[in-house]
Amino acid sequence: EAQVTQNPRYLITVTGKKLTVTCSQNMNHEYMSWYRQDPGLGLRQIYYSMNVEVTDKGDVPEGYKVSRKEKRNFPLILESPSPNQTSLYFCASSLKATMNTEAFFGQGTRLTVV
Amino acid sequence: DAKTTQPTSMDCAEGRAANLPCNHSTISGNEYVYWYRQIHSQGPQYIIHGLKNNETNEMASLIITEDRKSSTLILPHATLRDTAVYYCIESTGTASKLTFGTGTRLQVTL
Repeated sequence: EAQVTQNPRYLITVTGKKLTVTCSQNMNHEYMSWYRQDPGLGLRQIYYSMNVEVTDKGDVPEGYKVSRKEKRNFPLILESPSPNQTSLYFCASSLKATMNTEAFFGQGTRLTVV
Repeated sequence: DAKTTQPTSMDCAEGRAANLPCNHSTISGNEYVYWYRQIHSQGPQYIIHGLKNNETNEMASLIITEDRKSSTLILPHATLRDTAVYYCIESTGTASKLTFGTGTRLQVTL
């Protein structure tokens, strides 16, 4: 089944404790991205990757890092999480960045930083 | 990507057609109109997209006005499972960045 898989689905952590949210897709998609969703603000893009080893900032990159060492994986790293990063996070992938194709989203990771 | 305007919420009786409008008066010539929906807090789900012609798939129909300044998503026979937030998005497709607004909350009732 074609899918984007995020882990974990739920995470409660403390301020400053490094964490990684994993994202994997099994569709051989070139383009992957991370979004965060907050009440009243909609979904905002954090980082995106056009292909392996190619990443760039989205609209709200501060406090986040990403890497794209393999095509299927695009982990989101919070080196020193803070309470304002409490949010619902979604990973998405698309076949190619330059084509008008649909984006597939993961089921989300609800992160709480205390 | 420019911003779209959608009603905050709509109701629809089960079995009836749900018509969700979207204004995108500043859309540029190379921008497509995409529709996604989000059921509760699940990941957004792609529904349909189009450039200037009307489109139909197994989920919905998309009607785009001739001047491309507005469009309507039609769910022909709404069911309770169609209750969701529906997002209308403009995108050139390059870089695949999707700018989500606050969408329309569709409530399908018995």
